[in-house]
Amino acid sequence: EAEVAQSPRYKITEKSQAVAFWCDPISGHATLYWYRQILGQGPELLVQFQDESVVDDSQLPKDRFSAERLKGVDSTLKIQPAELGDSAMYLCATHRSTGTEAFFGQGTRLTVV
Amino acid sequence: QKEVEQDPGPLSVPEGAIVSLNCTYSNSAFQYFMWYRQYSRKGPELLMYTYSSGNKEDGRFTAQVDKSSKYISLFIRDSQPSDSATYLCAMSADFNKFYFGSGTKLNVKP
Repeated sequence: EAEVAQSPRYKITEKSQAVAFWCDPISGHATLYWYRQILGQGPELLVQFQDESVVDDSQLPKDRFSAERLKGVDSTLKIQPAELGDSAMYLCATHRSTGTEAFFGQGTRLTVV
Repeated sequence: QKEVEQDPGPLSVPEGAIVSLNCTYSNSAFQYFMWYRQYSRKGPELLMYTYSSGNKEDGRFTAQVDKSSKYISLFIRDSQPSDSATYLCAMSADFNKFYFGSGTKLNVKP
């Protein structure tokens, strides 16, 4: 069964360090989202891609966060420098561009110490 | 006011009980409604998807949408300990941007 792949599953980093997450979408899924989920809360959108283009990054803290989706397939999300408040689950979700439900990866749990 | 409101629980029920999970929303443009189940330390998995108003049934799960009241529900019949998880509702106006509730944590006791 096709699934959204994310790595790493867990990451512990010291504050002020750089950290990166990777997402490989289901084949054929043109739309890709990065969400942040703080414990006990629902996912909050950070950035949305349509193919290789950013559609919505209004909630992305651009002073420290960056995202790219070169070639419109896999995507990376980077945080530099990491802060204690960035500790959360980072989820990647994808769907086809023609109105279907979104499928999530297993997420990367980030702990900043 | 948040776009989607969901009672965080936790909700604790005995095995075999009927569970009712609910969300309210404020944006009348929402027409796609989803329920996700999320086990601890895992990503959300899609349970049910409903378009516009009405009911949809899948095994022990029934999703209801009442657009006039801006209220959606997920019912779980004959609940099992394996149903213990956090349930997230999600909504969209155009399947382009999704708005999530905060999740309800469910515990089904054997």
